[in-house]
Amino acid sequence: NAGVTQTPKFQVLKTGQSMTLQCAQDMNHEYMSWYRQDPGMGLRLIHYSVGAGITDQGEVPNGYNVSRSTTEDFPLRLLSAAPSQTSVYFCASNTLGRETQYFGPGTRLLVL
Amino acid sequence: GDSVTQMEGPVTLSEEAFLTINCTYTATGYPSLFWYVQYPGEGLQLLLKATKADDKGSNKGFEATYRKETTSFHLEKGSVQVSDSAVYFCALVSTNTGNQFYFGTGTSLTVIP
Repeated sequence: NAGVTQTPKFQVLKTGQSMTLQCAQDMNHEYMSWYRQDPGMGLRLIHYSVGAGITDQGEVPNGYNVSRSTTEDFPLRLLSAAPSQTSVYFCASNTLGRETQYFGPGTRLLVL
Repeated sequence: GDSVTQMEGPVTLSEEAFLTINCTYTATGYPSLFWYVQYPGEGLQLLLKATKADDKGSNKGFEATYRKETTSFHLEKGSVQVSDSAVYFCALVSTNTGNQFYFGTGTSLTVIP
């Protein structure tokens, strides 16, 4: 199993550009989520999904969109990048219930 | 609501020293508790977990006991190594949080030879 994979590993954007961060998992997990990690703030939940076709907002959803058309994939879209979105983004997945969450390696995003 | 509070860092220890990183939680349901570790430039990896009161999770010499009476899940290791240098996160998921995880802010550990 590849586990949770994320692409790209690193990206530089200009303010106002859009992009999609890719996330895929091969463990047939129902639950997937996106976090951003900023210094001194731990992990903050952006969006999550409990299954294909079902998504919901987390703590910091503004400026981001998600969709879940398959169990495996959960892309995160930045609509119009802002410097405040400079961060490290992690995708994670787990089975429903109080089970271990598995993380991808992260995408480092720099918005100029 | 549910939350996790963990010890502020950074923590610097000499090799072979004893490590404790404190973690307390607030949960309205029945939580499972986790410690994750993040090495530089990598994602979070599960270190250990406990799913009910009095359970002890252990891995790689690290231990943590689920204490319901003190709502705590402190991480301990008897003798740290340079390779343990990383950021450690305490986390919970509860029957009342609908699979949503709550993470502490992380504690950075540096072990010097």
